[in-house]
Amino acid sequence: DQQVKQNSPSLSVQEGRISILNCDYTNSMFDYFLWYKKYPAEGPTFLISISSIKDKNEDGRFTVFLNKSAKHLSLHIVPSQPGDSAVYFCAARIDDKIIFGKGTRLHILP
Amino acid sequence: DVKVTQSSRYLVKRTGEKVFLECVQDMDHENMFWYRQDPGLGLRLIYFSYDVKMKEKGDIPEGYSVSREKKERFSLILESASTNQTSMYLCASSEPTYSSSYNSPLHFGNGTRLTVT
Repeated sequence: DQQVKQNSPSLSVQEGRISILNCDYTNSMFDYFLWYKKYPAEGPTFLISISSIKDKNEDGRFTVFLNKSAKHLSLHIVPSQPGDSAVYFCAARIDDKIIFGKGTRLHILP
Repeated sequence: DVKVTQSSRYLVKRTGEKVFLECVQDMDHENMFWYRQDPGLGLRLIYFSYDVKMKEKGDIPEGYSVSREKKERFSLILESASTNQTSMYLCASSEPTYSSSYNSPLHFGNGTRLTVT
């Protein structure tokens, strides 16, 4: 039973435009949410996170929004750049355990 | 900068072999994790450890065991490797939730690509 869901396996966005990656979760006990980026043959790298007591966190081109009532979070990347092409994983924490979604592959088109 | 080092980038083993995957972190983190990544399945938690000699099963522990004899080292053991354990294995570490760094992310190693033939 998947607790963290990324329903879009892939997404293509024009360079310079906004990329929006979505994530839904089922467990209301999650208290911390994270986004990771992964290139092939490398480990995931941490991008940005948000505590469950907030609804927005921003870091440079990356913004994460949390809607607790809808159990939904999203990652916005503005403007999208070619180096953003990667797989993005949404993750959520309960106690010390972190659970990941299946990932969304983002393609930035020239 | 946190460094998580996995001893091998690529491994090829035969069915039935006992396989050890080693992971070392240099930031004195309490928590360590083993995940596997498979296409279309994302990252799935195999085991995690929140202290020396302590371990907790993740979502897919069958066929695996772990060892944490020292704080900086967390080993994943495949008792008898099978072809369905061919995967990318990722080790990670983090601060615990009770620490002053309450909300700190997982830091991952570069992964070990294991092929079981």
